[in-house]
Amino acid sequence: KAGVTQTPRYLIKTRGQQVTLSCSPISGHRSVSWYQQTPGQGLQFLFEYFSETQRNKGNFPGRFSGRQFSNSRSEMNVSTLELGDSALYLCASSLGTGFAEAFFGQGTRLTVV
Amino acid sequence: AQKITQTQPGMFVQEKEAVTLDCTYDTSDPSYGLFWYKQPSSGEMIFLIYQGSYDQQNATEGRYSLNFQKARKSANLVISASQLGDSAMYFCAMRERERGNEKLTFGTGTRLTIIP
Repeated sequence: KAGVTQTPRYLIKTRGQQVTLSCSPISGHRSVSWYQQTPGQGLQFLFEYFSETQRNKGNFPGRFSGRQFSNSRSEMNVSTLELGDSALYLCASSLGTGFAEAFFGQGTRLTVV
Repeated sequence: AQKITQTQPGMFVQEKEAVTLDCTYDTSDPSYGLFWYKQPSSGEMIFLIYQGSYDQQNATEGRYSLNFQKARKSANLVISASQLGDSAMYFCAMRERERGNEKLTFGTGTRLTIIP
């Protein structure tokens, strides 16, 4: 079966703009979680969605938001981009909440200039 | 205090040898979970193994096992019979609940290089 698909793979945006990243989970998986990976801060958990509801969240400002659709696809939005938002954004899908048995996508590499 | 600590930034191991990657954690949540992930140079994260705080037995998945020592707050990953394909970054992570919100916190990772 198809794995987790993240689009786009690469993105270049200008400071102050907003960006939307997409994540299509494995068929049947209802949980999608998002992560940011930077050389300075490492891997950080952003939020987790399950059945269209945000269930858990990390310590990120309100500029970072997300949503999940009825087909479990999820989008992450970052508004008013800052240079420090340049990162690899990973999403993962799993059958249930709790982060176990999660399958990751290949990530979206966002560069803010 | 750091929630998750991985003290080995890098390790070099001969092929076919066993490898132990260290991870210590700190939490006040009695019902936590511990995870190990592998990230090859391609960037994609791969879930390896999970241990719940109440699990009596150490978790095992093929060549991976988790040496869980609860009193020492330690959850080391053991890879038996290492292979060249095991060369990657390895991250330890902990799930804990605070005021009804579950979070996953990652360590800084260990870069493992398998030498032929």
